[in-house]
Amino acid sequence: RKEVEQDPGPFNVPEGATVAFNCTYSNSASQSFFWYRQDCRKEPKLLMSVYSSGNEDGRFTAQLNRASQYISLLIRDSKLSDSATYLCVVNNPNQGGKLIFGQGTELSVKP
Amino acid sequence: DAGVTQSPTHLIKTRGQQVTLRCSPISGHKSVSWYQQVLGQGPQFIFQYYEKEERGRGNFPDRFSARQFPNYSSELNVNALLLGDSALYLCASSPLGGGYGYTFGSGTRLTVV
Repeated sequence: RKEVEQDPGPFNVPEGATVAFNCTYSNSASQSFFWYRQDCRKEPKLLMSVYSSGNEDGRFTAQLNRASQYISLLIRDSKLSDSATYLCVVNNPNQGGKLIFGQGTELSVKP
Repeated sequence: DAGVTQSPTHLIKTRGQQVTLRCSPISGHKSVSWYQQVLGQGPQFIFQYYEKEERGRGNFPDRFSARQFPNYSSELNVNALLLGDSALYLCASSPLGGGYGYTFGSGTRLTVV
């Protein structure tokens, strides 16, 4: 079983749609959680950290459920520029700075 | 401010050869990590260095090695290249050794033929 698993993609949605990505992690000792965005053939870039109480950044909302070991990302009012691969990332402080990435979910927003 | 810089950007090598990839972290960042990303997958952790010491090693064979220099730049070496080593190699720097504050370089795309 992979340490971090994400919804398989791709997600194809029209502009203005709301889309949700889900992610599960297997190591209950994980303490830090992130969503990264990766454009085609580019490097991953931090989209947002995920906090226990849930957090929002504009059109993006991240949720964490530690009991279920589940992380989600909601994108409202999708824009063409949101088209990218979204990577769920987990860190266990016992493993130092090692980031564990899911395989990514591709999002394509169409006009 | 310069971000994380990696060189070269692209590289083509033959099976059995050796390759050295280079990374310069953001000024002031003391931690450098290396990741391998094969097509269609998320990045996989290879090494982390903090203050010139190895702090973590991923599940990669001994053909992979790395080091960090006094100026915090880093090199990743891969010996006896295999076709399966073809991937995007990403370097990430952070101020400290934990999981926060990482900035990735644009990567080196290695093709082994």
